[in-house]
Amino acid sequence: DGGITQSPKYLFRKEGQNVTLSCEQNLNHDAMYWYRQDPGQGLRLIYYSQIVNDFQKGDIAEGYSVSREKKESFPLTVTSAQKNPTAFYLCASSTGLAGGGHYEQYFGPGTRLTVT
Amino acid sequence: LAKTTQPISMDSYEGQEVNITCSHNNIATNDYITWYQQFPSQGPRFIIQGYKTKVTNEVASLFIPADRKSSTLSLPRVSLSDTAVYYCLVGNYGGATNKLIFGTGTLLAVQP
Repeated sequence: DGGITQSPKYLFRKEGQNVTLSCEQNLNHDAMYWYRQDPGQGLRLIYYSQIVNDFQKGDIAEGYSVSREKKESFPLTVTSAQKNPTAFYLCASSTGLAGGGHYEQYFGPGTRLTVT
Repeated sequence: LAKTTQPISMDSYEGQEVNITCSHNNIATNDYITWYQQFPSQGPRFIIQGYKTKVTNEVASLFIPADRKSSTLSLPRVSLSDTAVYYCLVGNYGGATNKLIFGTGTLLAVQP
């Protein structure tokens, strides 16, 4: 089955610790994204990557870091610098970016991070 | 990217047709209109996309008037399982990025 996997589904950390969220896709998509969702809110873009070894900041990148060493993988690290890390984190991927219109984004099941 | 305005919530009953309208007064010439559906604690799922007039697929229809300043997502004969948040997004996603800007969406509650 093709799709996006995120692990773990639930994650608990103490304040001040860095934590890395996993995102893997076997859809052969070039582009990958990380979003954050807070209760009752829409999704906000953290980082996105168009190709391997390249990534760009989204709207709320402060306190987060990413890497894209492989096409299939786009891990997100929530650092201790992120002031309000507790949230629902969603990873997505899509095909190429050229041309008009919108390339459908496929989302993973999400990771709910709680920091206390 | 154009700002969108949707109702915060809507109620419906099983078997009814539901129309959710989205306003996007500042839509640009190259912008497309896209709708996603999200169930609680899951990632959003693409429903439909259009540029003008009418688009229909197996789950929904999208109506876009000539001035493109609004659009209407139509869900025929909804069921309880259609209870979800529906997001309207507007933008030209080609070129450098494929960024999506999500608003708060419309929470559709379908009752028996």
